[in-house]
Amino acid sequence: DVKVTQSSRYLVKRTGEKVFLECVQDMDHENMFWYRQDPGLGLRLIYFSYDVKMKEKGDIPEGYSVSREKKERFSLILESASTNQTSMYLCASSSEGYGYTFGSGTRLTVV
Amino acid sequence: GESVGLHLPTLSVQEGDNSIINCAYSNSASDYFIWYKQESGKGPQFIIDIRSNMDKRQGQRVTVLLNKTVKHLSLQIAATQPGDSAVYFCADRPGTYKYIFGTGTRLKVLA
Repeated sequence: DVKVTQSSRYLVKRTGEKVFLECVQDMDHENMFWYRQDPGLGLRLIYFSYDVKMKEKGDIPEGYSVSREKKERFSLILESASTNQTSMYLCASSSEGYGYTFGSGTRLTVV
Repeated sequence: GESVGLHLPTLSVQEGDNSIINCAYSNSASDYFIWYKQESGKGPQFIIDIRSNMDKRQGQRVTVLLNKTVKHLSLQIAATQPGDSAVYFCADRPGTYKYIFGTGTRLKVLA
């Protein structure tokens, strides 16, 4: 069964910490995405990547960075976590012409 | 700007009845549309998709209808079951790598 795996389901971090969220897909998809999901705001795109070492800013990139050193792995980095980054983070991958496959999500709480 | 919206934030239906969830999109260039289901605490799960050269597509107990004239998408669920309770949202692809998601409709199935 093909899937997108996010390394953590729940994370609690302190303000100012550097946080890494990892995502791995086993479908050989070219495209990978990081979204955050907040009540009433829906899914908002943070960053995406359409190839190894390539990245593009989404709608809300501030406070985040990403890394894609291998095709199957896409990491989201919170350089200095803040309480307003408390959210559900969703990773997704896709192949051209098809929709997303999402991971199960990481619920991050910054205290 | 581009947006994908939903007519009803919450829909309550009796078990066994048919459900219809609606979605409006704004970008006439969108060529691909997807419906996702998201259960509590989980990532979105693909339900069904449709391309812009089609008006209707059927899956198992689900049907998606696309009306390009009024930029409207609907998801019909036949014989709604308790396991169908979730948030449903649509997404459209306006010709780029990324998709635009609606904020979602919560479907509640009443016993």
